[in-house]
Amino acid sequence: SQTIHQWPATLVQPVGSPLSLECTVEGTSNPNLYWYRQAAGRGLQLLFYSVGIGQISSEVPQNLSASRPQDRQFILSSKKLLLSDSGFYLCAWSIRGTGNTIYFGEGSWLTVV
Amino acid sequence: GQQVMQIPQYQHVQEGEDFTTYCNSSTTLSNIQWYKQRPGGHPVFLIQLVKSGEVKKQKRLTFQFGEAKKNSSLHITATQTTDVGTYFCATTRGSQGNLIFGKGTKLSVKP
Repeated sequence: SQTIHQWPATLVQPVGSPLSLECTVEGTSNPNLYWYRQAAGRGLQLLFYSVGIGQISSEVPQNLSASRPQDRQFILSSKKLLLSDSGFYLCAWSIRGTGNTIYFGEGSWLTVV
Repeated sequence: GQQVMQIPQYQHVQEGEDFTTYCNSSTTLSNIQWYKQRPGGHPVFLIQLVKSGEVKKQKRLTFQFGEAKKNSSLHITATQTTDVGTYFCATTRGSQGNLIFGKGTKLSVKP
């Protein structure tokens, strides 16, 4: 069966510090990978998606970036965090193609102070 | 771009009462998916609807896709405290087929 792992689960970072969230998927090949952000009490905003190694598409301009160094590894980064970057970050995957079910990781709670 | 509007934003019910959340779009949707997010958890897929007028049931949950494929609803009969959480609808957008989500309806159930 397929599993998705995301870490760290929680972190508190000062403004201006770097960020790295990592996500790996097991049990499937060539998945679509996604990073979503959920601000407190709000909906899910798609930040990045990837259809293959090294292929990253950004949905919204921001000071975050994403990378996919391996087929089942997806990394969310920032060089300098802003207060507004606080939120719940969710990695997700789906099988290749359109309109497929998305499976979310457990999420990472980021608080920028 | 294609968006889905979800109402209400919040719903407080007494245990045993029914609950309905609605998802609306100004454009025809290719599909609708529903997800549930428990407090402190991550969204979990519930169901997908693709056909005009489609109705699907999962125990006390009834999902409908409108005839014009511009709206959908999720109805819970006789809510229980285990139904607490935020319910999201989502639809496919663009050539990549990424899912875009509504803002969700947060359900609280008073025992």
